[in-house]
This record gives sequence, structure tokens and C-alpha cells, in this order.
Amino acid sequence: AQTVTQSQPEMSVQEAETVTLSCTYDTSENNYYLFWYKQPPSRQMILVIRQEAYKQQNATENRFSVNFQKAAKSFSLKISDSQLGDTAMYFCAFYSSNTGKLIFGQGTTLQVKP
Amino acid sequence: DTAVSQTPKYLVTQMGNDKSIKCEQNLGHDTMYWYKQDSKKFLKIMFSYNNKELIINETVPNRFSPKSPDKAHLNLHINSLELGDSAVYFCASSLPPDTEAFFGQGTRLTVV
Repeated sequence: AQTVTQSQPEMSVQEAETVTLSCTYDTSENNYYLFWYKQPPSRQMILVIRQEAYKQQNATENRFSVNFQKAAKSFSLKISDSQLGDTAMYFCAFYSSNTGKLIFGQGTTLQVKP
Repeated sequence: DTAVSQTPKYLVTQMGNDKSIKCEQNLGHDTMYWYKQDSKKFLKIMFSYNNKELIINETVPNRFSPKSPDKAHLNLHINSLELGDSAVYFCASSLPPDTEAFFGQGTRLTVV
């Protein structure tokens, strides 16, 4: 069974600085997708970034980028130039093409301090 | 236009009651999910439907019964509510395999 692990329950960063959130996963599949979702206090789940496992190039979306290490089964999220609006809970997620299941890690609460 | 909408947003009810949460998506997606987010914010998949067919049924008490009248709707009915059912329930939809899952705003269920 696939599992997703986020080992950092809480993190904080000063505004304008860079922070990296960690995620590891376990799977025997070769074809899968990885995501980072953000959940601000409003409770809405918002997609931050997506990575296809067959792509070697790391995905980037503006200030957000990932470090995808397929062999190590690691998928970390880097937030550059942190903003107060980045304060939220961040979830790493794994989608299995075989099972059609989207599963989530435990989440990391990120606090951006002024 | 809201892509995935759930009703109600808040639901307070007594133990033993039966309640339903409705979910509708207007994105034309084939797959819909129900997730439960507990007090520790852990998101656990409950069910997944693809074109009205149940494809994932996690270890969920049979008091929970999903119903998909068409591929745009996936409702969740809960019988004999218990205190432990208190959580936020999220509906989501996607068009696998390479697009994001869109989430509803969640339904906070409180059983008293």
C-alpha cells in the first residue's frame, strides 16, 4: 500500500525568506503523480503544484518549486520569498494510476512571521 | 460559478440521527471522492466513484453510504451518527490522471 509521510508537523519562516517542506512516499509503482495542496484557515483545499513521476524536470509555479527525487521517493516543496498569505497547512499527496486513489500526508503547518 | 459545492457547510446534530451531505460538481469530471478530515487535520479517503460506479471503499463503517445519482453528484448519507463522526467532510472531483483534484469547501459535522 502507498503511504505518504510528512515528518515536520510545524514550521515557521520569516517573511521574504525561503522554506522547504519535506515529503517522502512509499510505492512500488512507476506511474504516479505527486501534489502539494495548501489549506489556509478558510479550510479550502488549494492545489499548489503538481509533478508527474515520469518527468525528470522539477515542477515550478512562481515562488513554489519542488525537488523530486524519484529513487529516494522524496518530494519536497520550496517556497521562496515567503509571504504572510502563505501561512497555512500544507499537504503532500500521491495519486496512484493503478488504484485511482489520492492519498495525503499528515500535513505541515507553516507560519510565516512578519 | 462554484466548481465543487457541498451543502450544508455546517451541520450540528444529535447522536443517533441520520444525516446527508450533498455534493455537486460542474466540471464534467468523471471521478468524485469523499474525504474525512479529523481533529488532527488528517485527510483520509473514504470513497471514490468513477462515472457513478464505486471504485474505492476504504474501511468505513457501513453506517456511511455514498450515493451517486449521476456523475455530477455524490452524496454521503450517515446513519445512527456517533460522537466520533464529528469531523470535516470534503467532497472532491478530478479527471484522472493528470489533473488536480478540486475540493468543495467542506462540511463541518458536529455530533452532540
